[in-house]
Amino acid sequence: EVQLVESGGDLVQPGGSLRLSCAASGFTVSSFYMTWVRQAPGKGLEWVSVIYSGGSTYYADSVKGRFTLSRDNSQNTLYLQMNSLRSEDTAVYYCARDRVPTKPGASDIWGQGTVVTVSS
Amino acid sequence: EIVMTQSPATLSVSPGERATLSCRASQSFSSNLAWYQQKPGQAPRLLIYGASTRATGIPARFSGSGSGTEFTLTISSLQSEDFAVYYCQQYNNWPRTFGQGTKVEIK
Repeated sequence: EVQLVESGGDLVQPGGSLRLSCAASGFTVSSFYMTWVRQAPGKGLEWVSVIYSGGSTYYADSVKGRFTLSRDNSQNTLYLQMNSLRSEDTAVYYCARDRVPTKPGASDIWGQGTVVTVSS
Repeated sequence: EIVMTQSPATLSVSPGERATLSCRASQSFSSNLAWYQQKPGQAPRLLIYGASTRATGIPARFSGSGSGTEFTLTISSLQSEDFAVYYCQQYNNWPRTFGQGTKVEIK
C-alpha cells in the first residue's frame, strides 16, 4: 500500500528546534517530488517546502533559513529540521507526494499529519 | 508569488443541488491547478489536477474547468459526504500557493 506516515510533532518552546519525519511505503521517495504543507489551527493550507527527485530543495519565504528538508534514501524517509521556531509555526504538518515520478505536479498521497505546537 | 483567491468563503447548498466554487489567480497560467477536499481532522484529498482531470477514484459528479486566471470546481449533485472545505492550489510556479478555501455546508 502506498502510504506516508509523519512523526516527530511535539510541544516546543519559542526558539527551539524539532525534527519531523515522513516515512514512505509502497513507493520510492527519491523518485518523486515530495512536499511539506502545514495548517495552523482553524486556518487554511500553507505550502512549506519541496525536495525535488534530483535532491534540490525550495522553501517558502516564511521558513527560509530556519527549516531544512532532507531525504534518507536508504530509509525511504523525509526529514524536516525546524530551527528557531516561532509561535506562528504552530500547525499540523503534512507531507505529501507529487503524482508523477520525477515531475512536479498535484499531490496525490498525503500523510495523516503531525502536530507542532510552539509555546512557552 | 501567485495569489489564489477563492469565492465564496462559504456556500450553503441542499443535498442533491449543484455547487459551483470559483478560484481566481493573480497571474495567468495554463492548467497547473488542483482542487483538494478536506474534512475535519483529515488530510486533504486530491480531487482534480490539470484543472479538469479527476484523480483516481473521484466520482464523476466532481468536475473542474478553466484556464488562465479563472478556474471552477463543480459538484453536480451534492451528497452528504461532500460537505467539506475545498481548496484550489496552483503548481505552475514556486512557491506553490493555495486559495483560502471554500466551506460547503448543508443548507
